[in-house]
Amino acid sequence: DAGVTQSPTHLIKTRGQQVTLRCSPISGHKSVSWYQQVLGQGPQFIFQYYEKEERGRGNFPDRFSARQFPNYSSELNVNALLLGDSALYLCASSYHPDRASTDTQYFGPGTRLTVL
Amino acid sequence: KNEVEQSPQNLTAQEGEFITINCSYSVGISALHWLQQHPGGGIVSLFMLSSGKKKHGRLIATINIQEKHSSLHITASHPRDSAVYICAPSPNYGGSQGNLIFGKGTKLSVKP
Repeated sequence: DAGVTQSPTHLIKTRGQQVTLRCSPISGHKSVSWYQQVLGQGPQFIFQYYEKEERGRGNFPDRFSARQFPNYSSELNVNALLLGDSALYLCASSYHPDRASTDTQYFGPGTRLTVL
Repeated sequence: KNEVEQSPQNLTAQEGEFITINCSYSVGISALHWLQQHPGGGIVSLFMLSSGKKKHGRLIATINIQEKHSSLHITASHPRDSAVYICAPSPNYGGSQGNLIFGKGTKLSVKP
């Protein structure tokens, strides 16, 4: 069974551009969370989605948005890119969001975004 | 003050040594995860625990909820254990389930 997949694996953008990152959860998992990991730091929570609804949001500006589709895949959009948005963006899926804090989260390989 | 503190930040060990990584947190939690991250970014969930102790192979994780402290132990360490180990509590505030807060990680290097 395939794990969490993310695309693209690497991406280079320039300041001011917009980017869309994609995530497909493990089959049967209904919850998707997004994390940003800046080099040398631990990941930071951006969003959690379940059944196409936002269940949680971290301390990120409105330039960051996301959505979840009926097949539970998800997209993360970042507008007006800044140099500081350069990071590894991780997607994680779990089965049940109400128990997500006690459900194992399965992480994808990440998308490495470089903003020049 | 960070909500999650890990120690040490860096750890070099000889193959076969017993290793301990510590994690202290300041928030109320419903569970705590230990994660392993290899170079290149891939993260693997090692443990999720809300009380007591769990063991998987050479890895042991313990948690003391009252003291807000958790430890990850590796017995008979091996060079393939070299990775960054991240403590990630799941806070029980904010109504958002699935929100993990992460420590900065402990970079472990095991020499043959």
